[in-house]
Amino acid sequence: LAKTTQPISMDSYEGQEVNITCSHNNIATNDYITWYQQFPSQGPRFIIQGYKTKVTNEVASLFIPADRKSSTLSLPRVSLSDTAVYYCLVVGAGGGNKLTFGTGTQLKVEL
Amino acid sequence: NAGVTQTPKFQVLKTGQSMTLQCAQDMNHEYMSWYRQDPGMGLRLIHYSVGAGITDQGEVPNGYNVSRSTTEDFPLRLLSAAPSQTSVYFCASRQDLRAVHSTDTQYFGPGTRLTVL
Repeated sequence: LAKTTQPISMDSYEGQEVNITCSHNNIATNDYITWYQQFPSQGPRFIIQGYKTKVTNEVASLFIPADRKSSTLSLPRVSLSDTAVYYCLVVGAGGGNKLTFGTGTQLKVEL
Repeated sequence: NAGVTQTPKFQVLKTGQSMTLQCAQDMNHEYMSWYRQDPGMGLRLIHYSVGAGITDQGEVPNGYNVSRSTTEDFPLRLLSAAPSQTSVYFCASRQDLRAVHSTDTQYFGPGTRLTVL
């Protein structure tokens, strides 16, 4: 399983764009990069998944360079409600039966 | 759909007691799993199931048993509770194991907060 490394914490203010970078140097050819969000006292929630280049949905964008050794989750114009822990995972094609969650990035958004 | 439901939400046990954490999903998902999350930590996989009658161990299976008699239910049994099992337990489900390019959307339940004294 590819190991991921991401910052332990980040601070931001409402209205700013937040970029959380994750490194996954040992990513395999068939692996996808997946991000989850977890609010306090709740289970993780799927945000976005990508394989290469850029993926965008209503919540976030995911940027993946050509070598796929890193990825960046971009949250546009964050609000207080985006305060959460964000997990970067590398998942095998067809989905992973054994997801490996690291400690994630604690994002704190202030006024 | 109710999604993934877990009961109870909170539980306090004494060392040595046994109990079952319940998990159910109404999305007809084949894959279900149990994770535990300790304070300040990520989630660790305890057991998982790829379909009714099929279970396998995850990263931290000791002290826990599971069974999958139906597609909907995946209970987690603590055989003899220990303080080290104090944690928040999350159940998750996912569908479409065989699709090569399926989006890996795991749906997590709200969690059960367990304290073992």
